[in-house]
This record gives sequence, C-alpha cells and structure tokens, in this order.
Amino acid sequence: AQSVAQPEDQVNVAEGNPLTVKCTYSVSGNPYLFWYVQYPNRGLQFLLKYITGDNLVKGSYGFEAEFNKSQTSFHLKKPSALVSDSALYFCAVRERGNNRLAFGKGNQVVVIP
Amino acid sequence: GEEVAQTPKHLVRGEGQKAKLYCAPIKGHSYVFWYQQVLKNEFKFLISFQNENVFDETGMPKERFSAKCLPNSPCSLEIQATKLEDSAVYFCASSQKLNTEAFFGQGTRLTVV
Repeated sequence: AQSVAQPEDQVNVAEGNPLTVKCTYSVSGNPYLFWYVQYPNRGLQFLLKYITGDNLVKGSYGFEAEFNKSQTSFHLKKPSALVSDSALYFCAVRERGNNRLAFGKGNQVVVIP
Repeated sequence: GEEVAQTPKHLVRGEGQKAKLYCAPIKGHSYVFWYQQVLKNEFKFLISFQNENVFDETGMPKERFSAKCLPNSPCSLEIQATKLEDSAVYFCASSQKLNTEAFFGQGTRLTVV
C-alpha cells in the first residue's frame, strides 16, 4: 500500500529565510512523487514532480524538491520564503501501476513578515 | 480548456436529497479522477476514468454514489440520498497519462444540512 507522511502540522518561517516542508513516503517499488499547494478556498495547484532522472527537481515559484531513495523522502524547499508562500502544502505519491494518488495530511506554512 | 472546471462551487442539500457535481477536464487529458477532501485535509480517492470508461471505482461507496464521463459532456458525480457525512469538498482532476501530474479543479463544497 502507498502512503505519505508529513510530520509537521505547521511550519513557521520568517520572510527571506529558507523554507523546508518535509515528506516521507512508503510504496512498493518506484514512486511517482508530487507536491501541490492549496490556497484558502482554492483547488490544488501543481508545484513539481519526480518521475525519474535527476533527484533534484525544480518547480514553480522557485520551489524545488530532492528525491532521496534511501531515506524515502521528498522534502520541498525554497531558498527564500515570501509572505505569499503562506498556504497549505500537500505531498502525494503514486506507485507505478496504481492510478490513485495518496496524499499526506498537509502542512500549513506561515511566512512571517 | 486549459484548466479543470468544476461546477457548482457551492452546493447545499438537505439530508436525503440528491446532489450532482460536474467536471470538465482539460482538453486532451485521458484520465479523470474524483477525490473527496474532508475535515483535517484528508483526501479520499473515489473513482477514476480513462476517457469514458471507469478505470478504478474501488473508492466509491456504490450504494449512493455514481459517476459518469460521457463523450462531449462534462463528467459528473452524483450522490443519491445525501447524508451529513457527505459534507466535504469534492475535487476533480485530470491528467494526460497515468504517469503525469494531475491538474485539479477548484472543487465543489457540498454541505448537507
């Protein structure tokens, strides 16, 4: 069975500081990994994905994530957080051969001016 | 279209009434997914389609939920005889292939009173 863990409920960071949102996953075989962001009363916006290839993937709005197979992690990072990055972030995984996404419980990111 | 369009944005139903939600996937996308987001941000997979064919319906409570994706029509999710616990945000998503990212609509917030 596939699953995702996002261990922190809320991440607080000062504007301009580096932002990290943690994600670990569990799958049978190789994963497809995704990060999405949700603003209040909005849908999920796709940020980035890991399918294959380079472990470091770059996405929208200056975000990046590193796939670490040995640690089964896919942490989301941004070098310098903006107040507008305050939102709910979801990590998701899909096992190869499975059509459904398994989501983590989400992390509320609060960027303090 | 270039985005997944869901209607209506909000829907209020009395317990026992029928609810019908619509989704227009992105043009050219072969797969459509329905997810239910309940309290505490938990996402539950309901059903997926490959074009107009049901691909995976193992997440659907079949006694009251049904869904269709017919050619040249928006996809639909119907709940017969709604219950209080059906109150949630229902997201539709589409993707080109199974190994590509899914793009989500804005969601329909269903409130059963």
